[in-house]
Amino acid sequence: QVQLVQSGAEVKKPGASVKVSCKASGYTFTSYDINWVRQATGQGLEWMGWMNPNSGNTGYAQKFQGRVTMTRNTSISTAYMELSSLRSEDTAVYYCARARTGEMNYWGQGTLVTVSS
Amino acid sequence: SSELTQDPAVSVALGQTVRITCQGDSLRSYYASWYQQKPGQAPVLVIYGKNNRPSGIPDRFSGSSSGNTGSLTITGAQAEDEADYYCNSRDRSGSVFGGGTKLTVL
Repeated sequence: QVQLVQSGAEVKKPGASVKVSCKASGYTFTSYDINWVRQATGQGLEWMGWMNPNSGNTGYAQKFQGRVTMTRNTSISTAYMELSSLRSEDTAVYYCARARTGEMNYWGQGTLVTVSS
Repeated sequence: SSELTQDPAVSVALGQTVRITCQGDSLRSYYASWYQQKPGQAPVLVIYGKNNRPSGIPDRFSGSSSGNTGSLTITGAQAEDEADYYCNSRDRSGSVFGGGTKLTVL
């Protein structure tokens, strides 16, 4: 069965970077895009960007341009999302999601990133 | 960037029909997909494309589209349908979510 398993919770200081991983199983990793979505406590979903695991091509939401980097390691079927220059407003649950033709049909369990001094 | 607008909250009596709407310019070019999210859980895709349900989603969930508006309809709402619902579509810069609608089943 398709599974996306994300890395564990992180606590970071303002100005630091965080790298969240998303390990895929149950399907051919390079056949589907990976999207990253975040959700602050009590808030809605916010799309951050996408990556094509086959080509490595990426597209980022304008809000995160220059601060986010999405990469992958195809040998271990794992996608990564790194967010730099963290501030308190980046405290959120970060999700990876497998995208078919735009729609995200499988999601990871989420990774809580807390930014606090 | 484009935006998708949803009503913040909607309620429905048990067993009745409810429609949740989503408005935005991107919906003139792309279908909305719809996600259900219950507290503490990851979102679940319930409708995508013109009106497609992933495996395991009950057929009481359906989708439609007209102009700049996408709609999610639940026919015969059940207690377990109480959740937050988010619309999503592609746009010129990638993808965008609506603000979400909290559905209460009375």
